[in-house]
Amino acid sequence: RKEVEQDPGPFNVPEGATVAFNCTYSNSASQSFFWYRQDCRKEPKLLMSVYSSGNEDGRFTAQLNRASQYISLLIRDSKLSDSATYLCVVRETGGYNKLIFGAGTRLAVHP
Amino acid sequence: EPEVTQTPSHQVTQMGQEVILRCVPISNHLYFYWYRQILGQKVEFLVSFYNNEISEKSEIFDDQFSVERPDGSNFTLKIRSTKLEDSAMYFCASSEIAGGTNEQFFGPGTRLTVL
Repeated sequence: RKEVEQDPGPFNVPEGATVAFNCTYSNSASQSFFWYRQDCRKEPKLLMSVYSSGNEDGRFTAQLNRASQYISLLIRDSKLSDSATYLCVVRETGGYNKLIFGAGTRLAVHP
Repeated sequence: EPEVTQTPSHQVTQMGQEVILRCVPISNHLYFYWYRQILGQKVEFLVSFYNNEISEKSEIFDDQFSVERPDGSNFTLKIRSTKLEDSAMYFCASSEIAGGTNEQFFGPGTRLTVL
């Protein structure tokens, strides 16, 4: 079983749409959770950390369900500039800080 | 805003040759990492480095790989004898502290092409 699994997409949505990405992780001892964004042939950049109570940053909302080992990202009012690959990332307890990446979900927002 | 820098942006080498990829982490950061991403695949952890020694490494990081912090600013990844399958984007990252929701900042990457 893959450590971090994501739907690869692509998700093709019009501007203004709401889109949701899901992610599952295999290690129940995982400690910290993140969504990173990666543009084509660029480095991953942190979009937001994911907290147990859920958190929101503008148009982006992240949720964590530890019991189901499930993470989600909701993007409201999609912009053309949101087109990218969204990476679900996990840090495990006891690890020396290494990040475990999912393969990413590609989002294409069209006019 | 401080950023991680990497050189070169693209390195082409012949199979069997040694390559050194260079990184300058953010100046007050203490933890350093290398990740790689084969084209079309996920980002994979290679190694973490703290206090002048390796703190963790993955199965990918075999005897052909080594890391070094030769001075106060640079952090290098050396591949002793490159293989075709080493072709990938190599990302350096750094963080101020370890654990929790502490962010790792990634450099722009070095694209390594092994012919």
